[in-house]
Amino acid sequence: QVQLQESGPGLVKPSETLSLACTVSGGPLSSYYWSWIRQSPGKGLEWIGFINYSGGTTYNPSLKSRVTISIDTSKNQFSLKMTSVTAADTAVYYCAREWGGGSPSRLDYWGQGILVTVTA
Amino acid sequence: DIQMTQSPSSLSASVGDRVTITCRASQSISTYLNWYQQKPGKAPKLLIYDASTLQTVVPSRFSGSRSGTDFTLTISSLQPEDFATYYCQQTYSTPRTFGQGTKVDIK
Repeated sequence: QVQLQESGPGLVKPSETLSLACTVSGGPLSSYYWSWIRQSPGKGLEWIGFINYSGGTTYNPSLKSRVTISIDTSKNQFSLKMTSVTAADTAVYYCAREWGGGSPSRLDYWGQGILVTVTA
Repeated sequence: DIQMTQSPSSLSASVGDRVTITCRASQSISTYLNWYQQKPGKAPKLLIYDASTLQTVVPSRFSGSRSGTDFTLTISSLQPEDFATYYCQQTYSTPRTFGQGTKVDIK
């Protein structure tokens, strides 16, 4: 059974860099896109971006200038860095697997989510 | 970006009711439309992909359909465990975008 687990600091100071990791177990990294999605308190879902096994990335243009997603295949892990955070970046951050397999793709496995609060 | 507009934003229903949620895409997305269920404090769970294909182990009371750029999620007979928020998502292009959600609560 594929499992994803987010890790990282739950508190980040304004103007600093948010850094999260997602560890994947129970399945390979290859053949999938590995995504980050966030949800501000009481709000809807916002797609941040994804990365493939080879390191190819696509970002949401609204966040692109501040976001980097990377992958470490030796650790079965991928990561998110977001610079210059503000209170507006306070959210639950989810990692998820996007997969198509010949059909339109979907997010079929999700991590449990990690709340990141931006506060001085 | 492709805009996904869900309606209604919330609804109240009783156990056994038939519930319908709609999602409209701002442009053609073929069948690149997924539905997710989210319960408080939990991650979203995939219900339906490719507009109408039920994810493994999802109960058959859930179904999805498409008419042009309009998509529908139907719950044929609402069960107590179905009270949640439902989101649509398009994967036709990037950035991936979600509807704003429909909260289904108890009447």
